[in-house]
Amino acid sequence: AQKVTQAQTEISVVEKEDVTLDCVYETRDTTYYLFWYKQPPSGELVFLIRRNSFDEQNEISGRYSWNFQKSTSSFNFTITASQVVDSAVYFCALSPNTGNQFYFGTGTSLTVIP
Amino acid sequence: DAGVIQSPRHEVTEMGQEVTLRCKPISGHNSLFWYRQTMMRGLELLIYFNNNVPIDDSGMPEDRFSAKMPNASFSTLKIQPSEPRDSAVYFCASSLTAAVGLNTIYFGEGSWLTVV
Repeated sequence: AQKVTQAQTEISVVEKEDVTLDCVYETRDTTYYLFWYKQPPSGELVFLIRRNSFDEQNEISGRYSWNFQKSTSSFNFTITASQVVDSAVYFCALSPNTGNQFYFGTGTSLTVIP
Repeated sequence: DAGVIQSPRHEVTEMGQEVTLRCKPISGHNSLFWYRQTMMRGLELLIYFNNNVPIDDSGMPEDRFSAKMPNASFSTLKIQPSEPRDSAVYFCASSLTAAVGLNTIYFGEGSWLTVV
């Protein structure tokens, strides 16, 4: 079974705080891909990152960083020094090596308070 | 480069009316996906095309829904007749190939449908 769990439904932080969004996945595939998407209030889904299951190196992009740990089946997303523009719903997604399906989590709504 | 383009962005229609949503994928992408997003069910894949051919429509809710892709640069999702429970955001997305794990899906801005 393929499943993505984002246990945090809503998070509120004060601007400049760091925040980590959790993502736990389930899959029997040995090769798979993990994604994060951002959905700002305007509604579009914006691609943030793709990571394959063989690459456990953490990634940093500006204020964004991702921690992939196969041992715990987690792919967590940290925003450092959060800003109001970071307010959005963030989706974690899983895709097996082949096929068309994306398995999305239910999303975490992040509100950054000025 | 232009992203995935959807129209209309917003539509309000009366129950029983036909609704047509349109999508232009990113040029060069061979696969096109239609997703629906609701509060209750989150993001659901409705149908996807590979090289203009429908591959998997198992997510299409019922016969009232139909999708076409007459060429590589255009697709439609039609609901006839529409019902209030069809109210949702409909996303079109495209990728280089259907093996989305190997590529990235890029989404359009969504079509916000309200059926009253």
